[in-house]
Amino acid sequence: GAVVSQHPSWVICKSGTSVKIECRSLDFQATTMFWYRQFPKQSLMLMATSNEGSKATYEQGVEKDKFLINHASLTLSTLTVTSAHPEDSSFYICSAIIHEQYFGPGTRLTVT
Amino acid sequence: AQKITQTQPGMFVQEKEAVTLDCTYDTSDQSYGLFWYKQPSSGEMIFLIYQGSYDEQNATEGRYSLNFQKARKSANLVISASQLGDSAMYFCAMREIYNQGGKLIFGQGTELSVKP
Repeated sequence: GAVVSQHPSWVICKSGTSVKIECRSLDFQATTMFWYRQFPKQSLMLMATSNEGSKATYEQGVEKDKFLINHASLTLSTLTVTSAHPEDSSFYICSAIIHEQYFGPGTRLTVT
Repeated sequence: AQKITQTQPGMFVQEKEAVTLDCTYDTSDQSYGLFWYKQPSSGEMIFLIYQGSYDEQNATEGRYSLNFQKARKSANLVISASQLGDSAMYFCAMREIYNQGGKLIFGQGTELSVKP
């Protein structure tokens, strides 16, 4: 099956700094990628839809200026958490569509 | 708006027995897909089974089967012959084919614990 990777797999950053998470489709081209956030023992909440070459579509309640999404190529989408705070600590998962949806392994972000 | 509901926060099952995880959905779309994913403690999302809204037969994949009752808008997952490795979070998800750009919306999840 298709492979989606994420980097880093985990990251610790200080409050007020920014952190970038990469999502790559390794063996296929993905015009659309999705970013989810998951708090412990909770479900995956869709944050935004990332479209190659155009602006991301954010879900209601997600701050566009805080969670910057860039989908610059058909194999790479990035999520930048700007001015991170402890409440942004979460598990971030991306997925890409080629007929079916394939998930990355997730990135665990801890903001201290 | 589409909605997925899983009413069982946690379930216990004895090893080798069958277990049913409930999922109901709501959508105004005629074409949609229903998915079940397993998420072990590592966090990875493992695809288990898919049911299309126009599929007349219930989907089956090995020990997994989906009890699809369209009129009741339910898509329960049945795991037969439970194994210790089945202990994980299980999520039901839906995707509307023509609306919403293909995004998946997830239910709250059910934590399954298999007892030896």
